[in-house]
Amino acid sequence: QKEVEQDPGPLSVPEGAIVSLNCTYSNSAFQYFMWYRQYSRKGPELLMYTYSSGNKEDGRFTAQVDKSSKYISLFIRDSQPSDSATYLCAMSAGSSGSARQLTFGSGTQLTVLP
Amino acid sequence: GAVVSQHPSRVICKSGTSVKIECRSLDFQATTMFWYRQFPKQSLMLMATSNEGSKATYEQGVEKDKFLINHASLTLSTLTVTSAHPEDSSFYICSARELAPPVLGRETQYFGPGTRLLVL
Repeated sequence: QKEVEQDPGPLSVPEGAIVSLNCTYSNSAFQYFMWYRQYSRKGPELLMYTYSSGNKEDGRFTAQVDKSSKYISLFIRDSQPSDSATYLCAMSAGSSGSARQLTFGSGTQLTVLP
Repeated sequence: GAVVSQHPSRVICKSGTSVKIECRSLDFQATTMFWYRQFPKQSLMLMATSNEGSKATYEQGVEKDKFLINHASLTLSTLTVTSAHPEDSSFYICSARELAPPVLGRETQYFGPGTRLLVL
């Protein structure tokens, strides 16, 4: 079993739809949770950063972490064609040494149709 | 946000040659840089962790003699693919972690744009 599971998609939605992206994980030591957006042939770009459980909102993006269920989500409201990309969840255990290394999900490919 | 650059963005080389890829943190100092490899439609695979002034730590299965990493300063790390072969063709991405992140408790990695390597 992978440490982080993410549905690879592909996921296609019409413009303006609400998008829900999810990851589950098995390592209860994970405390830091991130979402990255990666356009084709580009490096990942940090979208959201969350520590421990709870919600965080930034514009059209909302990140949720439920540590009790080992489940994290990214919601995109009013989706735009420019949101079309691969979304990677990532997490790390702590603040020292190798625990800082990120463990990535496999990425979900999203297409927002105009 | 923090900016990480990579050079070159793409390289085509003949089998048997060596290729050097540079990773620079442009507006911050990075104690640690990471090198990843990504195959089409797959996620990032960590190859090695590079700390300034010390030897890199390689992940299991990554040949340290083939993928030479040098982290000579707080803003520069290099990855050299020695005697490259077609199976080394991939997308190589570096990331850097800030020495002193501006927000307490916020510590994450900023990624470069990647280098596409094609070995003929």
